Amino acid sequence: QQQVKQSPQSLIVQKGGISIINCAYENTAFDYFPWYQQFPGKGPALLIAIRPDVSEKKEGRFTISFNKSAKQFSLHIMDSQPGDSATYFCAASLYGGSQGNLIFGKGTKLSVKP
Amino acid sequence: DVKVTQSSRYLVKRTGEKVFLECVQDMDHENMFWYRQDPGLGLRLIYFSYDVKMKEKGDIPEGYSVSREKKERFSLILESASTNQTSMYLCASSPTGLGTSQPQHFGDGTRLSIL
Repeated sequence: QQQVKQSPQSLIVQKGGISIINCAYENTAFDYFPWYQQFPGKGPALLIAIRPDVSEKKEGRFTISFNKSAKQFSLHIMDSQPGDSATYFCAASLYGGSQGNLIFGKGTKLSVKP
Repeated sequence: DVKVTQSSRYLVKRTGEKVFLECVQDMDHENMFWYRQDPGLGLRLIYFSYDVKMKEKGDIPEGYSVSREKKERFSLILESASTNQTSMYLCASSPTGLGTSQPQHFGDGTRLSIL
């Protein structure tokens, strides 16, 4: 019930294309869904996050779509650029459960080809 | 900006050694975390702390211990290092939210090799 399943494991997209990464969860009590971006040799950095009271959040070229009934959320990267090549992690947490520990997906390695 | 600083970027130690990994955050966050990251396994939580001198086991605490004597500092200790503890270790911190979960902020990691 505490798992977050992320797909695909790896993704290759042409420059200018749309990158889509999907995550699914079981625990309906999760109240926070962040996405992290990690470049080689660096720690994960918070990219964008959503709470379950909204169905979509957009920040620049990055959009989270959230489907509460299907227990799924996804990251869309519009106009993908080679600089977006990184590993992306989705996560979920439950307020009050172990002080807001994040449950991470296993990550998606994105490569954007020029 | 939140800054989480891990004392070493790369560390090489020998089997059986006691190893200390240090982490300091500058945002007065209550919560601190230690993860290890391995290819294909994502981030796995080792230990976390929600207050000074408090600690809780995560998903994979075996072979590790932690220390939090000051709010800004959280140390991970490998009591007797073994080769299967070769990994990337990530420290994170977060504030305690008022009714909602809060984001975690990560350091750049320590790549630890046990020979």
